[in-house]
Amino acid sequence: AQKVTQAQTEISVVEKEDVTLDCVYETRDTTYYLFWYKQPPSGELVFLIRRNSFDEQNEISGRYSWNFQKSTSSFNFTITASQVVDSAVYFCALSEREYGNKLVFGAGTILRVKS
Amino acid sequence: GAVVSQHPSWVICKSGTSVKIECRSLDFQATTMFWYRQFPKQSLMLMATSNEGSKATYEQGVEKDKFLINHASLTLSTLTVTSAHPEDSSFYICSAPWGGIRREQYFGPGTRLTVT
Repeated sequence: AQKVTQAQTEISVVEKEDVTLDCVYETRDTTYYLFWYKQPPSGELVFLIRRNSFDEQNEISGRYSWNFQKSTSSFNFTITASQVVDSAVYFCALSEREYGNKLVFGAGTILRVKS
Repeated sequence: GAVVSQHPSWVICKSGTSVKIECRSLDFQATTMFWYRQFPKQSLMLMATSNEGSKATYEQGVEKDKFLINHASLTLSTLTVTSAHPEDSSFYICSAPWGGIRREQYFGPGTRLTVT
């Protein structure tokens, strides 16, 4: 069975600090896809990134970066120079297929960025 | 880009009544849609997979007779919470996969249900 663990329930940082959100996953599939979503207070999920199991290259998008390591089954997310607008709940998720299948979500990490 | 809408965005109903929530893919067709439930300060849990033209597939522990799902067309899936009780109060979110350029799953804005 697939499982996603986000051990950090809540993280508080001061603006401009860097912060890393951890995600550890379990799956028996050799092909799988990992996602990160942001859920601001409004509730609507915002897609951040999708990564397939064959691509271990790290990715950077502006202040966001992701570190995918199959050896440790981890897909961590780092926000550089955090801003108050980054405050939200962040979910890591796993799917057997790229987009057509259900997602298994982690418990989520609440990120609070204080000014 | 692809958009998924939900209606209503929030609803308050009395215990024992039924509530229907709509999920629409606005500019693409979706033969499959997914319904998730999110209790306060918890994660999203998949309730069921809605399939156009066939019966929905429910996750273990989800009551089929209580949460009725109808995939009426290629752009509309509905979730009806029958005989709602306070413990059904939750945030219900639907999603639809889209094979466009970004090939991602699009989520609706969610429906907050409060049963009094």
